[in-house]
Amino acid sequence: GAVVSQHPSWVICKSGTSVKIECRSLDFQATTMFWYRQFPKQSLMLMATSNEGSKATYEQGVEKDKFLINHASLTLSTLTVTSAHPEDSSFYICRAETSNYGYTFGSGTRLTVV
Amino acid sequence: AQKVTQAQTEISVVEKEDVTLDCVYETRDTTYYLFWYKQPPSGELVFLIRRNSFDEQNEISGRYSWNFQKSTSSFNFTITASQVVDSAVYFCALSEAAGTASKLTFGTGTRLQVTL
Repeated sequence: GAVVSQHPSWVICKSGTSVKIECRSLDFQATTMFWYRQFPKQSLMLMATSNEGSKATYEQGVEKDKFLINHASLTLSTLTVTSAHPEDSSFYICRAETSNYGYTFGSGTRLTVV
Repeated sequence: AQKVTQAQTEISVVEKEDVTLDCVYETRDTTYYLFWYKQPPSGELVFLIRRNSFDEQNEISGRYSWNFQKSTSSFNFTITASQVVDSAVYFCALSEAAGTASKLTFGTGTRLQVTL
């Protein structure tokens, strides 16, 4: 079946640095990638939607200059958390949607900013 | 706007008990999809089921069963003879009809703890 590989699975970074999270579709082309954030003991909240080759669409309240999303190819989408702060510590997970209507999640990235 | 409500925040059962997780949804779409996902402590989301709005047949898969009732906008999930490995957070989710960029709206999740 369709697999989305997400890396890293966990990362600890210092406050003020940037972190890049990658999601790769291994055996299919992901026309659309969704990025979610999940704070401890909370639900998954959609941050943004990206389509290959175009700018991402951000949900209300999500800072697009802080959470940079790139979807340069049909197999790779990246989320960069710029100038990370402790309040950005969260679980980030991507979801790919293929052209034939599938839902495939990455395995998630646990970000801790110290 | 779509909304998914999982009123049960946490449920604790003893192994071998049956347990039902409730899910109530709201949507204006006539065509939509409902999902259940399991999230173990490791964090990944495990897909359990997808059901479209035109298929109200109940489904059984091993110890899992789902009851879809459009009349009450509910899509409940029952685990029969629960096991410790069932301990996880379970999310119900709703998406609009097939097409491009279908947004998935999650409920707040139900944390299930199964003890010996």
